[in-house]
Amino acid sequence: QSALTQPRSVSGSPGQSVTISCTGTSSDVGGYNYVSWYQQHPGKAPKLFIYDVSQRPSGVPDRFSGSKSGNTASLTISGLQTEDEAEYYCYSYAGYNWVFGGGTKLTVL
Amino acid sequence: QVQLVESGGGVVQPGGSLRLSCEASGFSFSSYGMYWVRQAPGKGLEWVAFIPFDGSDQYYTDSVNGRFTISRDNSKNTLFLQMNSLRFEDTGVYYCAKGNGWWPDHWGQGTLVTVSS
Repeated sequence: QSALTQPRSVSGSPGQSVTISCTGTSSDVGGYNYVSWYQQHPGKAPKLFIYDVSQRPSGVPDRFSGSKSGNTASLTISGLQTEDEAEYYCYSYAGYNWVFGGGTKLTVL
Repeated sequence: QVQLVESGGGVVQPGGSLRLSCEASGFSFSSYGMYWVRQAPGKGLEWVAFIPFDGSDQYYTDSVNGRFTISRDNSKNTLFLQMNSLRFEDTGVYYCAKGNGWWPDHWGQGTLVTVSS
């Protein structure tokens, strides 16, 4: 049950795009289309932003998009806004195991 | 709207026990699997346990298997986590989360568990 691998930090300026990667194995990310992404602001509960690799819950802006290739999933945020600054966690189902990434701190410069 | 309210956290000595509760409202509790997820201070999220909608099975991360027990009372819309033989490394905020398929969608605000001597 190793954590999925995410970069510790990424940054971008308002209006730019950033991509956060999430690398797992064929037992988790590569084996199932059940990858989710969560946003967490300091002191707050996580919030679901992407599920099933690329689906957005209602209320999530279409600036947020998800994709997957092989054992690596990605979250792309376009048109960065200051309120996007937060920690982002990927997550994958792994066959009656559930595994999160280590988290990526997004800084909007 | 979905609401999840955790309670039962606190300070406990190593080897001690705590029972967390999560009261659910705003959805048909008995139709959904439920998760416990924790977050150590300054660290990332870690899945702890999962229970299907009917409580027919329980699944645990390796580090808590045999020490923690997840359960639910569908008549009271409440999820539980019984934590025994607590260790320093169990310290953190414990979140309950509603399942949607194989992922958590809505989360509570969390309850803090501190294991300290």
